[in-house]
Amino acid sequence: NAGVTQTPKFQVLKTGQSMTLQCAQDMNHEYMSWYRQDPGMGLRLIHYSVGAGITDQGEVPNGYNVSRSTTEDFPLRLLSAAPSQTSVYFCASMGLYEQYFGPGTRLTVT
Amino acid sequence: TQLLEQSPQFLSIQEGENLTVYCNSSSVFSSLQWYRQEPGEGPVLLVTVVTGGEVKKLKRLTFQFGDARKDSSLHITAAQPGDTGLYLCAGYYGGSQGNLIFGKGTKLSVKP
Repeated sequence: NAGVTQTPKFQVLKTGQSMTLQCAQDMNHEYMSWYRQDPGMGLRLIHYSVGAGITDQGEVPNGYNVSRSTTEDFPLRLLSAAPSQTSVYFCASMGLYEQYFGPGTRLTVT
Repeated sequence: TQLLEQSPQFLSIQEGENLTVYCNSSSVFSSLQWYRQEPGEGPVLLVTVVTGGEVKKLKRLTFQFGDARKDSSLHITAAQPGDTGLYLCAGYYGGSQGNLIFGKGTKLSVKP
């Protein structure tokens, strides 16, 4: 049972480049979410989805897009990376009360 | 805006000591969760408390949910170096499952 997987583990981008962070879960959870974690700021919700075809904004959605075409996958897209998006990104899926996190993607934007 | 305040932000203690971490809010939460995160990894759920006044124990860790469901505490007895990590509380205030907010965390270091 893989749980929640994320790729890549590390990524360096130049300002203005685009990329997609991949997230997949094999627990058949309807709810999935993306967080960013910055020093001193804790985990902040970017976007979430309550099922295939349904997404909504979290606390810090600007600069990020998401889609949910299947229950398993929930990719996060950065259309034009900015240095302020340097962070560690976590994907999570949620069962009834328990949230499972992926291992994270460390992104640096120069 | 829902806020969760965690204290202390940093804690460095010797092996064998006891410690308590606090999580406070002015808002009422439907449930509250505690997570532990190690460097380079994602947070891992330790416990969920749902009922006001609830106490849960996980080996040397004791979790308590305040009677009014606005605060919680994590007490570790006889801390060990393996307890080192970032402890996060997260409050769920009902409605959409997106309504889960995290505190900023308590970074615990237990020295042998």
